[in-house]
Amino acid sequence: GAGVSQSPSNKVTEKGKDVELRCDPISGHTALYWYRQSLGQGLEFLIYFQGNSAPDKSGLPSDRFSAERTGGSVSTLTIQRTQQEDSAVYLCASSSQGGDNQPQHFGDGTRLSIL
Amino acid sequence: KQEVTQIPAALSVPEGENLVLNCSFTDSAIYNLQWFRQDPGKGLTSLLLIQSSQREQTSGRLNASLDKSSGRSTLYIAASQPGDSATYLCAVRRGFQKLVFGTGTRLLVSP
Repeated sequence: GAGVSQSPSNKVTEKGKDVELRCDPISGHTALYWYRQSLGQGLEFLIYFQGNSAPDKSGLPSDRFSAERTGGSVSTLTIQRTQQEDSAVYLCASSSQGGDNQPQHFGDGTRLSIL
Repeated sequence: KQEVTQIPAALSVPEGENLVLNCSFTDSAIYNLQWFRQDPGKGLTSLLLIQSSQREQTSGRLNASLDKSSGRSTLYIAASQPGDSATYLCAVRRGFQKLVFGTGTRLLVSP
């Protein structure tokens, strides 16, 4: 597609369940980022993928969070044993390379609500 | 640790006014600064990206300036319109690392 696509757009689940969020970056973009936007915290970086390099996981808040990127394209963010504080909008972005001179393009996000 | 602050947090203006949004950052060793807008329930739309070597960028009614040494950027919106109502976010980037976002300015332009 023309832009970054995320699914589902909304997800409601019970505390303790696992969830998977999906991101389809812009075709040809080698860099992919996950961010979280929650009330009172603003936008926080979670994880960054660049080509075949090891991902930068420095923003993941706990070991319940993990992400993978298969074939250098689609990425899945997994949250295990969800907690209420995981409720937030999860945004994915991609750029044509991981360098400093390319803008990041964002998807519309997945709004996650933990009951 | 890089911290990014935006002032004001909220702004309400009548249609047609020119306005300035401010962004400040604590670590001047940045590679670029990007301005975004976010509409309710939507993701971020990139507006302007200024490289560290640049002083300003313009797109239509928008003009963004960067003073890296003082850790400041401004977004100037000329002849504001109701369609400009949104939250505006600035973000700084250092190399291959993630964007560090500001706190955002909620703009409301009244007809």
